Amino acid sequence: EAQVTQNPRYLITVTGKKLTVTCSQNMNHEYMSWYRQDPGLGLRQIYYSMNVEVTDKGDVPEGYKVSRKEKRNFPLILESPSPNQTSLYFCASSLLGRDEDGYTFGSGTRLTVV
Amino acid sequence: QKEVEQNSGPLSVPEGAIASLNCTYSDRGSQSFFWYRQYSGKSPELIMSIYSNGDKEDGRFTAQLNKASQYVSLLIRDSQPSDSATYLCAVTVGTDKLIFGTGTRLQVFP
Repeated sequence: EAQVTQNPRYLITVTGKKLTVTCSQNMNHEYMSWYRQDPGLGLRQIYYSMNVEVTDKGDVPEGYKVSRKEKRNFPLILESPSPNQTSLYFCASSLLGRDEDGYTFGSGTRLTVV
Repeated sequence: QKEVEQNSGPLSVPEGAIASLNCTYSDRGSQSFFWYRQYSGKSPELIMSIYSNGDKEDGRFTAQLNKASQYVSLLIRDSQPSDSATYLCAVTVGTDKLIFGTGTRLQVFP
């Protein structure tokens, strides 16, 4: 089944404790992206990647890192999480040049930083 | 000005009625437009995409695009309680970057 898999689904952590949220897709998509979703603010892009070893900042990159060492994986790293990073996070992927397919989203990761 | 604007709602319609959801965008260069449905706590799922001015129909859903007015809408005919969700309008900016609106919450009551 074609899908984007995120882990974990839920995570509660403490301020300053490094964490990684994994994202993997099995559709051979070049484009991958991370979003956070907050009430009243909608989906905001954190980072995106057009292909392996190519990453770029989105609209809200502060406090986050990403890497794209393999085409299928695009982990989101919070080196020193803070309470304002409490949010619902989504990974998404798409095939470049196939706009009509839109994005395929992962199931989401609800992160709470205390 | 927000890049993609939607009325947050809620929009309440009775079962069987037509629900009309609207969206405006600011980038005149945008070429691709999408409607996503998101149930509470779930991930967005693509309902419709549209690229040309006019209407595009898929089952009970019709997307309408007017590039001159920078306006895109979604009509849901014969609304069902299962259509109750938040509907996100998304617009491409540049190469493959999607900008999302904050969504309109639709409530369909029996």
